[in-house]
Amino acid sequence: QSALSQPASVSGSPGQSITVSCTGTSSDVGGHDYVSWYQQYPGKAPKLLVYGVSKRPSGISNRFSGSKSGNTASLTISGLQAEDEANYYCSSYTGSATLLFGGGTKVTVL
Amino acid sequence: QVQLVQSGAEVKKPGSAVKVSCKASGDTFSSNAISWVRQAPGQGLEWMGSIIPLSGTRNFAQKFRGRVTITADEPTSTVYMELNSLRYEDTAVYYCARSASGDWARFDYWGQGTLVSVSS
Repeated sequence: QSALSQPASVSGSPGQSITVSCTGTSSDVGGHDYVSWYQQYPGKAPKLLVYGVSKRPSGISNRFSGSKSGNTASLTISGLQAEDEANYYCSSYTGSATLLFGGGTKVTVL
Repeated sequence: QVQLVQSGAEVKKPGSAVKVSCKASGDTFSSNAISWVRQAPGQGLEWMGSIIPLSGTRNFAQKFRGRVTITADEPTSTVYMELNSLRYEDTAVYYCARSASGDWARFDYWGQGTLVSVSS
């Protein structure tokens, strides 16, 4: 199975909102509400930001929000801050007891 | 607080095998699935497989079936991942990650990562 499709990079100015997309198929993103998003800084382990398409774990800023339409999930970062500069990965359950990650998106704060 | 502590970096020759451990503490061990995720240098995350220690249920990505073994030792709360027939392209950081209760696809805790380098 191929990785979920994410843009290689997205950029924005401080205070702006940006959206990172994650496109799959009806077998994964479109077929299940088990889409998660992770933030990863270089040399560090990933950190869970969003799960179940749009839920946030305790302690995660409400500036991070998730949504889904058809086979595409999205992560929106509002009020962009310098500390948001990192790599972001989506993941989705595939329905066959396996999981796929997206290729990752580098978010740059201009 | 849940902690996953992995074993140290490894250097292996092509064709050999590597075994990486992941010791869990701070919460019940057996009922939450533990997955292995790897990340090649400068690349994205790749899910390899998982185990539920309580039941022994294992699932693997198609790509790794037959080449990866995942086991769990309940008394020591440790999960192991063994990858055989190593190739240069297996050079990566290998992470273990715990699934949240009731949501297998949600990884709420991660280990610190183990660098495996394959070199002749």
